Amino acid sequence: GAGVSQTPSNKVTEKGKYVELRCDPISGHTALYWYRQSLGQGPEFLIYFQGTGAADDSGLPNDRFFAVRPEGSVSTLKIQRTERGDSAVYLCASSRRTSGGRNEQFFGPGTRLTVL
Amino acid sequence: AQSVTQLDSHVSVSEGTPVLLRCNYSSSYSPSLFWYVQHPNKGLQLLLKYTSAATLVKGINGFEAEFKKSETSFHLTKPSAHMSDAAEYFCVVSDQKTSYDKVIFGPGTSLSVIP
Repeated sequence: GAGVSQTPSNKVTEKGKYVELRCDPISGHTALYWYRQSLGQGPEFLIYFQGTGAADDSGLPNDRFFAVRPEGSVSTLKIQRTERGDSAVYLCASSRRTSGGRNEQFFGPGTRLTVL
Repeated sequence: AQSVTQLDSHVSVSEGTPVLLRCNYSSSYSPSLFWYVQHPNKGLQLLLKYTSAATLVKGINGFEAEFKKSETSFHLTKPSAHMSDAAEYFCVVSDQKTSYDKVIFGPGTSLSVIP
């Protein structure tokens, strides 16, 4: 079946602009995660959704970052007033349900964001 | 607090020789541990996972890992490297005390396979 998809695959923007990154999780997966992966590093947790609500947004670096999942499926990560330091690959993952850390997360291919 | 250390940022092996990628973790509770692989321009793929069952875990593509609680280690091994194994490998820990699958990634080990 279809995996996690993310659009766009690449996004180039100018400093100060607003961007939206989209994630389509696997159908039926209620848990959705966003991560940020900087060059040469492992992915870092940003935010977790269970259904429509953001259950844990402790990884968002500041208030320029925001994410929504209005119908419990597709999620959008929004970044306002982009800065060059926001340049990274943004990864989305989904899983069937929460299970105290036992579930595999299925990852999308990522969106590579470049802020000039 | 959880953390993951991958002792080697880069490992290079010859094709057909064994692979060892090292991982040590820190967790206050019984952890789940995972190894993911990331090929260039592709998404992360699960190789294997440990969730408190058998301590020797077998995964895809001939990889396996052994959970050693006394050493807080979860090293990844493969008897014979193949060219297609060249990729970035991440050791990941999840604290089973949490109500959801929050994970911490290690910094990654880049594996090169020499023909």
